Amino acid sequence: EVQLVESGGGLVQPGGSLRLSCAASRFTFSSYWMSWVRQAPGKGLEWVANIKQDGSDKFYVDSVRGRFTISRDNAKNSLYLQMNSLRAEDTAVYYCARVTGLDWYFDLWGGGTLVTVSS
Amino acid sequence: EIVLTQSPAILSLSPGERATLSCRASQSISIYLAWYQQKPGQAPRLLIYDASQRATGIPARFSGSGSGTDFTLTISRLEPEDFALYYCQQRSNWPLTFGGGTKVEIK
Repeated sequence: EVQLVESGGGLVQPGGSLRLSCAASRFTFSSYWMSWVRQAPGKGLEWVANIKQDGSDKFYVDSVRGRFTISRDNAKNSLYLQMNSLRAEDTAVYYCARVTGLDWYFDLWGGGTLVTVSS
Repeated sequence: EIVLTQSPAILSLSPGERATLSCRASQSISIYLAWYQQKPGQAPRLLIYDASQRATGIPARFSGSGSGTDFTLTISRLEPEDFALYYCQQRSNWPLTFGGGTKVEIK
C-alpha cells in the first residue's frame, strides 16, 4: 500500500528542539516534491514547508522560517522536519504530505504526529 | 497572503440531501483551488483539484465549481460516510493557504 508514516512527535519545552521523520513506501519518493502541513488542536490546516525532489529548493511559511528546516534522504525514502526554538503556538499534529506533480496540492497524507510545546 | 473564507461553518443535513459548501478567496485565484475531506482522527483526503477536477477514486456525487474568488463544493446526495470536515486550499500564491473548514453534520 502506498503510504506515509510520521514519527518523532512528543512533548517539548518552549525553546526546545524536535526532529520529525516521515517514511514513504510503495511509490517513487524521489520523484515528488514533499511537504509538511500542521493542524493545531481544534483548528484548521496550515502549510509549513515544501522540498523539491533533490532537496535543492525549499519553501517555508513565514512563521517557521529560520526555526524549522525541511530535508530529505531519497536513499532512505524519508522526509524530515528539524524544529528549533519551539513555541507554544507550534503545538499541532504534523502531517507529511505528497505534492501532486507541480500543482501544489496534496494527494497523499500520513496519519500525523503530535507535537506539544509546553512547560 | 490569500485568505480563504469558508461558509457556513456548520451545515446540518440529513442523509440523501444535497450539500453546498462555499469557499471565497480574498483575491482572484483563477481555478487553483482544491477541496479536502477530513474525518475525526484521520488525515485529510483530496477530493477536488483545480476547482472542478475529481481526484482519483472520488465518487461522482462530489463536484466542484467556480473560478476567480468564489468556489463551491457540492455533494449531490449525502451518504453516511460524507459527514465530515471539509477544507478548501489555494495554490495560486505563496504561501499555500487553507480555509477554516465547514463541518457537515447529521441533522
